[in-house]
Amino acid sequence: KAGVTQTPRYLIKTRGQQVTLSCSPISGHRSVSWYQQTPGQGLQFLFEYFSETQRNKGNFPGRFSGRQFSNSRSEMNVSTLELGDSALYLCASSLNFLSGEGEAFFGQGTRLTVV
Amino acid sequence: LAKTTQPISMDSYEGQEVNITCSHNNIATNDYITWYQQFPSQGPRFIIQGYKTKVTNEVASLFIPADRKSSTLSLPRVSLSDTAVYYCLVGDRSDYKLSFGAGTTVTVRA
Repeated sequence: KAGVTQTPRYLIKTRGQQVTLSCSPISGHRSVSWYQQTPGQGLQFLFEYFSETQRNKGNFPGRFSGRQFSNSRSEMNVSTLELGDSALYLCASSLNFLSGEGEAFFGQGTRLTVV
Repeated sequence: LAKTTQPISMDSYEGQEVNITCSHNNIATNDYITWYQQFPSQGPRFIIQGYKTKVTNEVASLFIPADRKSSTLSLPRVSLSDTAVYYCLVGDRSDYKLSFGAGTTVTVRA
């Protein structure tokens, strides 16, 4: 079956602009979570959605937001981009994140560069 | 969430067995131990998960002692393509997130 698909793969934006990243989870998966990866901070949790509801949010400013649609596809938006937002943004999907078992499947990520 | 400690880096040679030990002294009763592998510019990939004793799959084994305060990921007969960062995660995921530490960079040489 198809894996987690993230679009676009690469993006270059200017400071102050906004950006929307998309994630299509594996068919049947209802949990989608987002992570930011930078060389300095490593992999950091942004937020998690299940059936269109945000269940947890990481310690990021309000400029970072997300949503999930009824087909489980998810988008994240970053407004008023800063140079420090340059990172690899990763999306992960799973059947039931609440369960202690099972795995989360990650996409290839979107590489965002802010200039 | 139980904090994990693992070596920053490890070197090995092709064909050898690599064992990465992760310390998690404050692991809770409901916590599972999960390992992920990540190659540069790619998302992490699930390797193995366990709760206690030993778990084995087609790519790795996970050894968990009775007190569960540590765990060891064993990669048999590594190849150059096993060069990656390996993350040990501990948690019951009831807060709906994966908490990644710094990971262990494993470098396999010819």
